[in-house]
Amino acid sequence: DVVMTQSPLSLTVTLGQPASISCRSSQGLRHSDGNTYLTWFHQRPGQSPRRLIYKVYRRDAGVPDRFSGSGSGTDFTLQISRVEAEDAGIYYCMQGTYWSWTFGQGTKVEI
Amino acid sequence: EVQLVESGGGLVQPGGSLRLSCAASGFTFSTFTMHWVRQAPGKGLEAVAGITSNGRSPFYTNSVQGRFTISRDNSKNTLYLQMGSLRAEDTGIYYCAREPETGTADFWGQGTLVTVSS
Repeated sequence: DVVMTQSPLSLTVTLGQPASISCRSSQGLRHSDGNTYLTWFHQRPGQSPRRLIYKVYRRDAGVPDRFSGSGSGTDFTLQISRVEAEDAGIYYCMQGTYWSWTFGQGTKVEI
Repeated sequence: EVQLVESGGGLVQPGGSLRLSCAASGFTFSTFTMHWVRQAPGKGLEAVAGITSNGRSPFYTNSVQGRFTISRDNSKNTLYLQMGSLRAEDTGIYYCAREPETGTADFWGQGTLVTVSS
């Protein structure tokens, strides 16, 4: 299986300041169809994951534009330009290029 | 509004069986590949199984192959996970999730808790 490694695993951020989470895969995530299936999720305590970003940088409807995704190959990044209180929780990256889908360990963001 | 509602979780002894259900509404269920993803208590996410829209092509992660069976009834808009030979490490919240296009999941249910313990 493809191993997804996130860093840092924990992050404390001041309101209004930027945050960045790295996600690295053990092999390249570019699919034979030309797409790169890298997704970012946010999970609050007691809730199911919510998708923020898919195919590396495409933001879901309703996701604030302070969230952005970037990267290619094996290195990907989720950036929050100005952290707000509601951004607290755990962030997961996930690769969907290969089955089994695999997730990073999660990055806990505290405000 | 897209809704996925899981049910069927509970406490089961090691070696036992359980069937989970996921009732879908708010979208054309029969046109989407669907998945089960689990989360052990306090841990990360693990994709368990998926099934194509017509139900003909199920696929499983290695750790559940031969023990779990994913299926669907498109006439009832329902996804199932039949779990057998359950182990303590199968304990966790089981979510169903929709795959809107290749390689990602957009909507998730609220999950149902499975506890394997004697």
